[in-house]
Amino acid sequence: DVKVTQSSRYLVKRTGEKVFLECVQDMDHENMFWYRQDPGLGLRLIYFSYDVKMKEKGDIPEGYSVSREKKERFSLILESASTNQTSMYLCASSLPKDGVSNQPQHFGDGTRLSIL
Amino acid sequence: TQLLEQSPQFLSIQEGENLTVYCNSSSVFSSLQWYRQEPGEGPVLLVTVVTGGEVKKLKRLTFQFGDARKDSSLHITAAQPGDTGLYLCAGANFGNEKLTFGTGTRLTIIP
Repeated sequence: DVKVTQSSRYLVKRTGEKVFLECVQDMDHENMFWYRQDPGLGLRLIYFSYDVKMKEKGDIPEGYSVSREKKERFSLILESASTNQTSMYLCASSLPKDGVSNQPQHFGDGTRLSIL
Repeated sequence: TQLLEQSPQFLSIQEGENLTVYCNSSSVFSSLQWYRQEPGEGPVLLVTVVTGGEVKKLKRLTFQFGDARKDSSLHITAAQPGDTGLYLCAGANFGNEKLTFGTGTRLTIIP
């Protein structure tokens, strides 16, 4: 079974702090994703990586950066946390597309981040 | 930015009833996936539909992809408490690995 592990289930930080969210997958997947989930908005893509050291902005990258130094690990960084970044953060991984169809994304259990 | 609207946003029904959840967009997708998310967990894939008009069944769940590949529906027959969860549709874009997720339908089945 694919395992995607997020380092923290709950995290409380203060405004202005630099925050690191870590994600590790054990299935040698090329693609990794960071989403935030807010009620009524579904999942919104923050950043996406399709290979080591490669990254691509998603729909809401402002205020975030990412790092992928090793294939299994994808880190999300909040450079200077603000209260509007309080949310549930989900990491996912997948294999590359198989023809027309996207491969399933496998998700971690999420990190609920509160910025005070 | 592509948008996927799901309706209803919330649905609460009695065990044994039937229900349909809708996923609509003005954009065409190469394929569409449905996920279910339970409290405290990440979403888990239920099904992928690829061809316009395609119908897939997963026990009591029936998924349909619209002919024009812009919309989809999920029908549950004889709902059970184990069906409770957040249902998310996700459209795949041509030529890249990203998914556009819908706004979600939170389903509660009352025993």
